Order: sequence, then structure tokens, then C-alpha cells
Amino acid sequence: KAGVTQTPRYLIKTRGQQVTLSCSPISGHRSVSWYQQTPGQGLQFLFEYFSETQRNKGNFPGRFSGRQFSNSRSEMNVSTLELGDSALYLCASSFTPGQVTNTEAFFGQGTRLTVV
Amino acid sequence: QQPVQSPQAVILREGEDAVINCSSSKALYSVHWYRQKHGEAPVFLMILLKGGEQKGHEKISASFNEKKQQSSLYLTASQLSYSGTYFCGTEAGANNLFFGTGTRLTVIP
Repeated sequence: KAGVTQTPRYLIKTRGQQVTLSCSPISGHRSVSWYQQTPGQGLQFLFEYFSETQRNKGNFPGRFSGRQFSNSRSEMNVSTLELGDSALYLCASSFTPGQVTNTEAFFGQGTRLTVV
Repeated sequence: QQPVQSPQAVILREGEDAVINCSSSKALYSVHWYRQKHGEAPVFLMILLKGGEQKGHEKISASFNEKKQQSSLYLTASQLSYSGTYFCGTEAGANNLFFGTGTRLTVIP
């Protein structure tokens, strides 16, 4: 089956602009999580969506938002971009019917965002 | 809530063993291990669940000490293909994984 698809793969934006990233999970997966990856910081959790509802949110400013559609596809939006937002943004999908994450997460290739 | 991984980096010769540690300040439901090669997405290695047994996967295995909120990943007889950054992800019952900053493993001939 097809893996997790993230688009676009690369983006260059200017400070102050906004950006929308897209993630299509594996068919049948209803949970989508977003992570920011920067050198030295590892994978920083942004938020997790399940059945169109945001269940969890990491410690990021309100400029970072997301949503999930009825087909489980998810989008992440960053407004008023700052230089420090330059990073690889990864989404991961999993099949998590319960209250704990007891199955593996499948990661997409990520979107490399550069803010200039 | 981010777990702490150690060491940050390790260099091994082929055939040598390594241990990567992961510890959390929170009670954990599960610990996940992933490996990421340069320019690629993280790939799942294994999950250790609360109350579960030590997991194994060829020459890579892991343990989970629930009382200490710690997990260790054991790589034995390392191969060149083991090179990459290893991340542990911890889950404290809220359905979101918090990952450590990673351990960069380099295996040289």
C-alpha cells in the first residue's frame, strides 16, 4: 500500500509569509502527528489529529496550526514565518484505535522549509 | 516531556556492540525506537509496551524498565547498515510520542 505522502518536498519562503504543508496518511490510518526536526533538537512534537479532532498539542506558538479532513488527510499551517521556523517538517500516521499509541508510526519524507 | 538519550553520538567498528539509553521523567505506557538514515524518513524498529517483554529484531533488541522509566537499545555485532540516527519515542498515555534528540551511530569498516 502507498506510504505517507507529504507535499511539497521543499519550500522557500520569506519572513512574515505563511505556509501550508500537506500530509496524506496511509489508507485506513486515522491518526496523524506532525513533528518539527532541526539539528540538535531531534523531533519536536507539534500536534496530533485523530478523526478530524486535535487530540494533543506540543509546546509551539499559536502561529502553528493544523487540521484534519474527513479523509484523514492533514494540513499544517505556519503563519508569520520566522527564520527559526526553518526545519524539516515530518508527519507520521498510525492506526491507533485506543488511548495509547501501541502501533508503529509511519513517517513521510518530510517537507524541508527554508525561511529567508 | 522530551526523553533524554545518551550517548549523543557513537562510532563503532563493524562487529562491535553498542547500547543507546533513553530515560523519561514521566511514567510511560510505551517506548518506541526508530532509526533515521541521512535524508530519509525515520523507520520503525520496535515498540516496548508497559508490562511487555523485551523485544528483539535480529541483532537489535531493547528493554524497558517501567519502574525507572528507562529503555535501552542494544545493537550487537554492528553492521555498516546500522549507521544512522536512533530516536526513542516515549508515550505517557496521551497518544502522542515525544522523541529524544537522537543518537548518531556511525559504523566504520
